[in-house]
Amino acid sequence: KAGVTQTPRYLIKTRGQQVTLSCSPISGHRSVSWYQQTPGQGLQFLFEYFSETQRNKGNFPGRFSGRQFSNSRSEMNVSTLELGDSALYLCASSQSGGHHNEQFFGPGTRLTVL
Amino acid sequence: GENVEQHPSTLSVQEGDSAVIKCTYSDSASNYFPWYKQELGKGPQLIIDIRSNVGEKKDQRIAVTLNKTAKHFSLHITETQPEDSAVYFCAAYTGTASKLTFGTGTRLQVTL
Repeated sequence: KAGVTQTPRYLIKTRGQQVTLSCSPISGHRSVSWYQQTPGQGLQFLFEYFSETQRNKGNFPGRFSGRQFSNSRSEMNVSTLELGDSALYLCASSQSGGHHNEQFFGPGTRLTVL
Repeated sequence: GENVEQHPSTLSVQEGDSAVIKCTYSDSASNYFPWYKQELGKGPQLIIDIRSNVGEKKDQRIAVTLNKTAKHFSLHITETQPEDSAVYFCAAYTGTASKLTFGTGTRLQVTL
């Protein structure tokens, strides 16, 4: 089975712009979670989508949003970018959460905000 | 919400020695505890996990133990090799919140 894929792998944006990141989960997985990884804050949970619905959300401002499509692919969007949004954005897929909650991560998208 | 503490933050061992990384969690409702290995430029890779109804699990050179009463879980790597050098993260999954909470990571360096 192919693993979790994320595009693009690297992105450079300037303050005030917006960005959209994409994640394709492992085939058959219906849950996609997004995390932000920074040296200072570590891995922090952004949100989780299951069957096109946001099931849980972390403590991030409303500038961070996401969605999931019927094929389980997910996108996250960050609007009005700030310097502090520079980070590695990781998505992870799992079968359904609940008991089948093993999460498998993609390689991440490295976002740099100038 | 859940809080996961991880120690040590850095660990240096000689090749062939054992390495132990410890984590504590706060939410007694957490029921699943995975460990991830992250190499430079890559996403975290799931290496072993344990559920709350099990006390210990082993996979070749890697083992994980869980003490539910004390809310502690640990990763044990025996016969370490240079390719074990990476950052290791513990995490706790709370079903009600449907999310993983990660520890702050341990940078393991295996020296020759």
